[in-house]
Amino acid sequence: DVKVTQSSRYLVKRTGEKVFLECVQDMDHENMFWYRQDPGLGLRLIYFSYDVKMKEKGDIPEGYSVSREKKERFSLILESASTNQTSMYLCASSFPWRGYLNTEAFFGQGTRLTVV
Amino acid sequence: GQQLNQSPQSMFIQEGEDVSMNCTSSSIFNTWLWYKQDPGEGPVLLIALYKAGELTSNGRLTAQFGITRKDSFLNISASIPSDVGIYFCAGWPMNSGGSNYKLTFGKGTLLTVNP
Repeated sequence: DVKVTQSSRYLVKRTGEKVFLECVQDMDHENMFWYRQDPGLGLRLIYFSYDVKMKEKGDIPEGYSVSREKKERFSLILESASTNQTSMYLCASSFPWRGYLNTEAFFGQGTRLTVV
Repeated sequence: GQQLNQSPQSMFIQEGEDVSMNCTSSSIFNTWLWYKQDPGEGPVLLIALYKAGELTSNGRLTAQFGITRKDSFLNISASIPSDVGIYFCAGWPMNSGGSNYKLTFGKGTLLTVNP
């Protein structure tokens, strides 16, 4: 069974804190993604990584950074948490598109972050 | 970036009814994926489509990859209360090679089933 695991289901942090969200996958996927999900806005891509130490900005990278030191682990970092970063955060992983099958993305269970 | 237009945004149906939702794009997609998200959980893959015209079923769910490669639909037959949730379409655009691996999502269809 494929597995993407996020380190926390629920987090409450204070404004200005540095926050780490961790994601681990066991499928040897090259791609890993971080999304945030807000009502009415769907899934918005924050950052993605296509290999160890490689990353690209998504649609809403401001206020976030990422780290991928090992293939199985992708961390999202909120440098200085703000209340507008209160949201559901979802991690996903996949193989890259190579023109054939098995490019489905698999998601973790999500982390509900509240910044107070 | 790429856009996927998913409709309807929400649906309220009675148990036993059939449901249909679709996604369209102005550009060509290589792959179409359909996910379901239960409240407070991450999305779970329902169906993956890889070829234009492909029709695939998973129990009461049926999805098709449009011939033009710019659309896909998902049908749910004989809905039950546990079908409640948000359904997302997603796809890999044709320019997914190189380092541009951005999986694109629709905004979701919220399904409510009245028992």
